[in-house]
Amino acid sequence: SQQGEEDPQALSIQEGENATMNCSYKTSINNLQWYRQNSGRGLVHLILIRSNEREKHSGRLRVTLDTSKKSSSLLITASRAADTASYFCAPLTGANSKLTFGKGITLSVRP
Amino acid sequence: DADVTQTPRNRITKTGKRIMLECSQTKGHDRMYWYRQDPGLGLRLIYYSFDVKDINKGEISDGYSVSRQAQAKFSLSLESAIPNQTALYFCATQQGDQETQYFGPGTRLLVL
Repeated sequence: SQQGEEDPQALSIQEGENATMNCSYKTSINNLQWYRQNSGRGLVHLILIRSNEREKHSGRLRVTLDTSKKSSSLLITASRAADTASYFCAPLTGANSKLTFGKGITLSVRP
Repeated sequence: DADVTQTPRNRITKTGKRIMLECSQTKGHDRMYWYRQDPGLGLRLIYYSFDVKDINKGEISDGYSVSRQAQAKFSLSLESAIPNQTALYFCATQQGDQETQYFGPGTRLLVL
């Protein structure tokens, strides 16, 4: 298992702006997952992108994966106050590897 | 009804007490996990189970034990609680390898 490193640690934007969050990892992966956590709540899965995919969309979310740079980005377009949360990436390597979470990115969207 | 439930949601206990946190799921998933989260930090894996007869230690299992009573139930015990076990505890389920995990709402534990 390996831990993703999220960047920046904190991000504050105005409602309506786009939010870009980055994740880097060290070794080859099978897939990479992004999760959101509202304050004090359980994590909620956002998107899973597999190693043979380069981009994936889900509503206002866009995730990219660059395996040559060992990095992924999560873009939230037209952000809303309700997007305020912590965001975690979790890269998965070989069979039966476990999700390992970093400290996450704290996103604040100002109304 | 929630797919992954945890009881209790909040618990205050004293040092040295034995307590049990319970997790139930209706998703029919084979894999279950226990994590703890400390303020400002990510989640750390305590124990995990790939099926009823399979129990594995995570990165921080000392001071904890688990029981997989059925496919749907996975309990976490603190044999003798200590203050640095004060944390937010999450249970999660997963169907198969490499797939999405589904988290419960968490149990907030305070050890005095």
